[in-house]
This record gives sequence, structure tokens and C-alpha cells, in this order.
Amino acid sequence: AQTVTQSQPEMSVQEAETVTLSCTYDTSENNYYLFWYKQPPSRQMILVIRQEAYKQQNATENRFSVNFQKAAKSFSLKISDSQLGDTAMYFCAFILINAGGTSYGKLTFGQGTILTVHP
Amino acid sequence: ETGVTQSPTHLIKTRGQQVTLRCSSQSGHNTVSWYQQALGQGPQFIFQYYREEENGRGNFPPRFSGLQFPNYSSELNVNALELDDSALYLCASSPLAGGRETQYFGPGTRLLVL
Repeated sequence: AQTVTQSQPEMSVQEAETVTLSCTYDTSENNYYLFWYKQPPSRQMILVIRQEAYKQQNATENRFSVNFQKAAKSFSLKISDSQLGDTAMYFCAFILINAGGTSYGKLTFGQGTILTVHP
Repeated sequence: ETGVTQSPTHLIKTRGQQVTLRCSSQSGHNTVSWYQQALGQGPQFIFQYYREEENGRGNFPPRFSGLQFPNYSSELNVNALELDDSALYLCASSPLAGGRETQYFGPGTRLLVL
């Protein structure tokens, strides 16, 4: 069974500073995707960033970047120049990809990290 | 481009009743997944529908069932409601192109069972 662990229940950061959220996962499979989702207090889950396991290059999306360490099964999210609008619950998630190149449909989520950005 | 929409936004039911939640997938998406999110927890996968058939299922009892329609919209039905079914129910859709691995979420339906 696949598991995702986020060891930081809560984090806080000052506006304009950088913060890193941690995530580890466990799987015996080799082909999968990893995601970070953001869920603001209004509750809509928003995709932040995606990483394909076969890619060595770390994904970046504007102020958001990941540090993907496949051997260590680690997938951290770095938020640069934090903004008040980044305040949210952040979820790390994992999905297996089958031999046909499609998913089995099941996203496995961690417990989440509540990030608060202070002015 | 219209995103994933869900209805209703909130719902109150009593134990033993049945409920139907609805989801319209994002334009260009043909796969719909449903998740249950308890307060303060990560979402738990219920099932996924692709081409109007169940494509995968999580650890939920048979009283959780679903449908997908030709326009790719979907329903989640829960029979014999229990207090523990109180949660946020999230629908997510995936695009036609690609391997259906990336899921885009709707705003959710908050269900309270009394």
C-alpha cells in the first residue's frame, strides 16, 4: 500500500520570505506522479505543482518549486516570496501510473500542513 | 473555460436517509473521481468513473455508489447514511488527453448527518 506523510502539521512564515514544506512517501512501484495541492479556507482544492517520477529535473511553477529525491522518497515544496494569499492547507499527493501509461485513479493524500503567512 | 462544479454546496440529512451529490466535470475532461474529506484530514478516494464505468474504488462500502453520464457529469449516491458520513465530498475531473493522472477539484459538498 502507498502512504504519504507530512510531518509538519503547521508552519508559519513572514510575508516575502521563503518556506519549505516536507513530504515523504512510501511505495514499491517505480512509475508514479507526485503533486502538491493547496486548499485555502474557502475549501476549493487547487493544483500547485506536479512532478513525474521519471523526470530528474525538479518542477517549478513561478514562486513554487519542489525538491524531488526519488531514492529518499522525499518531495518537498518550496514557496519563495510568500504572499498572504498563500495561507492555506497544503496537501502532498501521490498517484500510481500503470504499464499502459494511465493512472489507477486513486490519489493518495497526506494529512496536510497548515501554512500561515504573516504580514 | 468552466471548472468543476458541484451541487448542492451544503446538505443536512438524518441517519438512515439517502443522499445524491452531483458533479459537472471541467470542459474537455472525461474522467471523474470522488473523495471524502473529514474535517482536518486529507481526502480519501471513493471511486473513479471513466467512460461511464467504475474505473477504481477505494475502501468504501457498497452503500457508496456512483454514476457517470454521457456528458461526463457524475453522481455520488450514499444509502443508509451514518453519522460518520458527515464530511466534505469532493469531485475531481481529469482531461481527455494524457493518462488521467492529474485531477482538478470542485468546491465540494458539505454533508452533515444528524
